[in-house]
Amino acid sequence: DSGVTQTPKHLITATGQRVTLRCSPRSGDLSVYWYQQSLDQGLQFLIQYYNGEERAKGNILERFSAQQFPDLHSELNLSSLELGDSALYFCASAGLAAGQETQYFGPGTRLLVL
Amino acid sequence: QQQVKQSPQSLIVQKGGISIINCAYENTAFDYFPWYQQFPGKGPALLIAIRPDVSEKKEGRFTISFNKSAKQFSLHIMDSQPGDSATYFCATLNQAGTALIFGKGTTLSVSS
Repeated sequence: DSGVTQTPKHLITATGQRVTLRCSPRSGDLSVYWYQQSLDQGLQFLIQYYNGEERAKGNILERFSAQQFPDLHSELNLSSLELGDSALYFCASAGLAAGQETQYFGPGTRLLVL
Repeated sequence: QQQVKQSPQSLIVQKGGISIINCAYENTAFDYFPWYQQFPGKGPALLIAIRPDVSEKKEGRFTISFNKSAKQFSLHIMDSQPGDSATYFCATLNQAGTALIFGKGTTLSVSS
């Protein structure tokens, strides 16, 4: 158990809809990363927040947005969903291990868009 | 776009054998190379990582070898066990050091 929690575990929705994925980082970790995992694209970095501020952006679509709240939990909002958005979405929080920032992944949310 | 090329895509090894997974990276500003292990239905978990002030790091049955001049690093699993059957990802940090760039993954199956 990494200490990172994600809800919900599974989500089934329809095209055009909007969903919110939630992540709680490990206690003490200030950084939260969001990744998308699909069969064809592999694990792709979407966005990073650090202590409430957006720090880095990766391959995140404009239809997607995220935020990190004062209690450090984070939400990833996916809107105008398309079939191709079906994937596993992982949140990771980062802490120091042996002097190096290490990312710890949550169990993921499996999104299915029908 | 920065990439990490991982091979093979899949690997079948007999119990007790050696599993070898290779990765090649492009330029990186940060010398940090982790390997993650992922079981079905679970998130990736850090397995072992190397910072190339050394060319090799060993933890139990798992060894990372690093060749900086060739921009390659590899994972060796000695005495492979059925419980090692999982997908393995190598990674590097992006140029800004703000996120991990993952290889496409290697699905390892250890037959008993």
